[in-house]
Amino acid sequence: DIQLTQSPSTLSAAVGDRVTITCRASQGISIWLAWYQQKPGKAPKLLVYDASSLESGVPSRFSGSGSGTEFTLTISSLHPDDFATYYCQHHNRYSWTFGQGTKVEIK
Amino acid sequence: QVQLVESGGGLVKPGGSLRLSCVGSGFSISDYYMSWLRQAPGKGLEWLAYLSSSGHSVYYADSVRGRLTISRDNAKNSLDLHLSSLRAEDTAMYYCAGTKGSPFYFNHWGQGTLVSVSS
Repeated sequence: DIQLTQSPSTLSAAVGDRVTITCRASQGISIWLAWYQQKPGKAPKLLVYDASSLESGVPSRFSGSGSGTEFTLTISSLHPDDFATYYCQHHNRYSWTFGQGTKVEIK
Repeated sequence: QVQLVESGGGLVKPGGSLRLSCVGSGFSISDYYMSWLRQAPGKGLEWLAYLSSSGHSVYYADSVRGRLTISRDNAKNSLDLHLSSLRAEDTAMYYCAGTKGSPFYFNHWGQGTLVSVSS
């Protein structure tokens, strides 16, 4: 099974900071990776799919990149609304796998 | 507007079973690729089961295979989950999620229904 490892697990940042979260796959997964944002008590929200395609309605300060085994989610300038937990996710044949999550906290 | 609403959660005794339902509005669930996922308290997301729009493909996570059944009721426009032999580790928020586009991802989610397994 393919494992997804996110780093860091927690990230402290200030409003306006550029933030980068990494997701590493245990084997190559081409571009088949998504990123979600989850706020406390809420369902996850799809931000990016196919590694770099922005979901409709998602602010352009979010961007995704990568292929193969290493992927990044970047927030170009952190807004107060962006403090949340972020998950990467991959689908492989008959299963869907998530990374363990990265919590973005206020510095 | 696509909306998913889960129901059926609550307190269940170990060894018992539960049935959760996810009702769709603004779209036909039979046109979507649908899944059930869960999130234990303070933990990450875990995919549990998938049902294709055609109904021909059904997949289960190893962690629940044999205990979980996913099904669809087109008349009610609902996606159902039946989970048996419940354990404390099944305590979680259960979400239904779906997509009309790529089945690889989940772009519509319900708000979740909380299941607690305890004696």
